[in-house]
Parts: sequence; C-alpha cells; structure tokens
Amino acid sequence: GAVVSQHPSWVICKSGTSVKIECRSLDFQATTMFWYRQFPKQSLMLMATSNEGSKATYEQGVEKDKFLINHASLTLSTLTVTSAHPEDSSFYICSAAGTASYEQYFGPGTRLTVT
Amino acid sequence: AQSVSQHNHHVILSEAASLELGCNYSYGGTVNLFWYVQYPGQHLQLLLKYFSGDPLVKGIKGFEAEFIKSKFSFNLRKPSVQWSDTAEYFCAVTQYNFNKFYFGSGTKLNVKP
Repeated sequence: GAVVSQHPSWVICKSGTSVKIECRSLDFQATTMFWYRQFPKQSLMLMATSNEGSKATYEQGVEKDKFLINHASLTLSTLTVTSAHPEDSSFYICSAAGTASYEQYFGPGTRLTVT
Repeated sequence: AQSVSQHNHHVILSEAASLELGCNYSYGGTVNLFWYVQYPGQHLQLLLKYFSGDPLVKGIKGFEAEFIKSKFSFNLRKPSVQWSDTAEYFCAVTQYNFNKFYFGSGTKLNVKP
C-alpha cells in the first residue's frame, strides 16, 4: 500500500520558537494532503487541507498565521507551528490522497511538546 | 457542520465474542463512510469504506459494516474477535466531494485472551 512518512516523529521545543513538520508521500503523488491534530483521548481534528501548488484551506478556528502549511510538491507538505506555546503541544498527523481523494493514507504522526 | 458520534468509548471483550461498534453521523446529504483502525504504536489504517451500492460492506480481517441511511448509522461488526483486534477504531465521514474528513472520537477495544 501507499506509504506516508512524517518527520520528525517527536520534537520538543521551547515556547516562542517555531517547529516544522514534514509529511511525505513515498510512493505516490499526493494531490491533496490533510493535517490533523489529535488531543489525548480525543479524535482527530482536521486542521487544514492543502492541494499542491495552492494555498491551504483551514478549518474554522484554526489560525492560519500560526499553523503555516506549504504543499510545494506532489510528495511533500510541511506544517510549521510558529511561536509555539505549551497549548500547541499535541499529536499532529498528516494524510495524503492521490487522484481519488477518498483514499487517504495516514502518516505515523508527530508528537510535539512545547516547554 | 458534520458531526460523527461513536457512543462506545471503551469496549472490553473476551476472545470469540461478537463485536458491534456504533457510529452515527449528522449530515443529511450524500455521504461516504469509513472505518479506520489504529493498532498500538501504529498509524491509522483503513478497515473498510462505503460509497454506494450494497449497504453491507466487508472489509479486511473479517470486519463488516452496515450503512442504514434512515438511522444515519454505519456500525462496525465482527462475529468473533481475536486478541489481535485490540486497537482503537475510528469512524469517519466525508461529504460527496471527499474534501473533508470528520472523525468520531474513537472506540478503544480491548480483547482479553
């Protein structure tokens, strides 16, 4: 099956710094990538949808200036958490979809801890 | 906006018991429905999906789900669970254009050997 990787798998950063998380589709071209956030014991919350070469579409309540998403190529999307705060600590998961966008393949997630 | 409800947050079963996990959604239009599984320490994997046609859908590992439009439900079933089915199960719904996925809160299944 299709493989999606995320890097890093976990990161600890200090409050006020920025962190970049990469999401790569390893063996297929992802026309659409999705970014989710998962709080402990809760479900995945869709943050934004990005299509290659265009601006991401953010869900209501998600600050686009804080969570910068770039989808520069068909195999790579990045999520940058800017000026991170402890409340941004969470598990961030990306998924990638090919031409049939219902087939989403999920990455393993990135655990972000902001101290 | 869509909402997806999974009423069972934590289910504990013995091996060979039958399983049914509930999933209800709120959208009244055309929907596409999914069940995902997350085994401990692993990422989400697709179990099965429904787009149209036969409302009884069979997935991997002996799982099946039934779409009942009148009840806005898409319950997951397995006749006889195994210890290896211990995982967290998520129901997800998209509208017809697949642009957004809405996930339920998940159900943790523990199967005792």
